[in-house]
Amino acid sequence: VLLVDSGGDLVQPGGSLRLSCAASGFIFSNYWMSWVRQAPGKGLEWVANINQDGTEKYFADSVKGRFTISRDNARDSMYLQLNNLRAEDTAMYYCAKDTSGRPVRPDPLDDWGQGTLVIVSS
Amino acid sequence: SYVLTQPPSVSVAPGETARITCGGDNIGSKSVHWYQQKAGQAPVVVIYYDDGRPSGIPERFSGSKSGNTATLTISRVEAGDEADYYCQVWNSPDHLGVFGTGTTVTVL
Repeated sequence: VLLVDSGGDLVQPGGSLRLSCAASGFIFSNYWMSWVRQAPGKGLEWVANINQDGTEKYFADSVKGRFTISRDNARDSMYLQLNNLRAEDTAMYYCAKDTSGRPVRPDPLDDWGQGTLVIVSS
Repeated sequence: SYVLTQPPSVSVAPGETARITCGGDNIGSKSVHWYQQKAGQAPVVVIYYDDGRPSGIPERFSGSKSGNTATLTISRVEAGDEADYYCQVWNSPDHLGVFGTGTTVTVL
């Protein structure tokens, strides 16, 4: 399993950014996928996830209404669109392989990308 | 929102036992996973479904749960166990993730 996160950058408050997660080594379309972030020197925060066919999506309250999540199973890729960014969104963003359960199971996030850094600053 | 509380830090001498707690309302009804994160690296699962151990994780790592508290125990601690540790659950029926506040383990 390999997950490669990309798209992080320095962006001004109020700006937008699109993160990507490219997957390989497993049948991507069989799995939920999650995004998890970690602010500098802080703990892990689950951000969002998406089910196998993109019809179910969940978000942390801290990003609801500002972030959207999507996936392209033909490209084995997942995306996180970050809008109306705030200083407190500054963090390393990780994509992670979630459950393959249908219905969903409370499985661990057993594979992670290396992370992509988002800095929100003027 | 659901909160998982961990002690900020645990210090332990080499060869001793470290215990990290994770408290949350009705945690007994949830499956708890534990992650180890070393400096500059992505997290790795060390315990899944309360007490399961992934292949490649030493038997020194064990998990348990009682009442409103889950516990990660590291026996015969080694210098290489220095890391941050996080518990995690899923809030059903929606598949919403929750991480604990995290615990830094320092080997003296």
